[in-house]
Amino acid sequence: LAKTTQPISMDSYEGQEVNITCSHNNIATNDYITWYQQFPSQGPRFIIQGYKTKVTNEVASLFIPADRKSSTLSLPRVSLSDTAVYYCLVGAGSGWGKLQFGAGTQVVVTP
Amino acid sequence: KAGVTQTPRYLIKTRGQQVTLSCSPISGHRSVSWYQQTPGQGLQFLFEYFSETQRNKGNFPGRFSGRQFSNSRSEMNVSTLELGDSALYLCASSLDQGQGAGELFFGEGSRLTVL
Repeated sequence: LAKTTQPISMDSYEGQEVNITCSHNNIATNDYITWYQQFPSQGPRFIIQGYKTKVTNEVASLFIPADRKSSTLSLPRVSLSDTAVYYCLVGAGSGWGKLQFGAGTQVVVTP
Repeated sequence: KAGVTQTPRYLIKTRGQQVTLSCSPISGHRSVSWYQQTPGQGLQFLFEYFSETQRNKGNFPGRFSGRQFSNSRSEMNVSTLELGDSALYLCASSLDQGQGAGELFFGEGSRLTVL
């Protein structure tokens, strides 16, 4: 399984855009990139998933360059409730059941 | 559609005891995975079950075991509890379509405290 590297922490103010970049140099051809969000004492929650270029949903955007060796999660206009740990993972097919989570990125949003 | 359900949500045990945690996956999901989360080690993969068979296993001692039933419900057991087993135990299920995109759906977890 591809290993991922992301910053340990990021601070932001309410209303700003937060961009978290994840490196996955050994990503396989059939791997997808997925981001999860976790609040304290809760299970991680799916945010967004993509394979290449750009994916956008109602909460975030995911930018993936052509070489797919990195990806950037963009959270527009964050609020206090976006304070959480964000995990970047890569996998595919039947590999979703054995995902290895890294340390994640602790995002702290302040007023 | 009901989410992943874990029971019990909280429990307290003493060293040397054993514990069994239960997980009911989302209907139709055949893959169930278990994770241990502690402040020091983060989220660590324990094992994954698919169609009643352990398909993948993380790096945990044999005191940690699990099983999956024909209805995809899963249980995990920890024997001879140690203080270090205090953690949030998370269960996740996935559809497992065999290829392409996928997603893990997590339960709220079982918070185990070992005294």
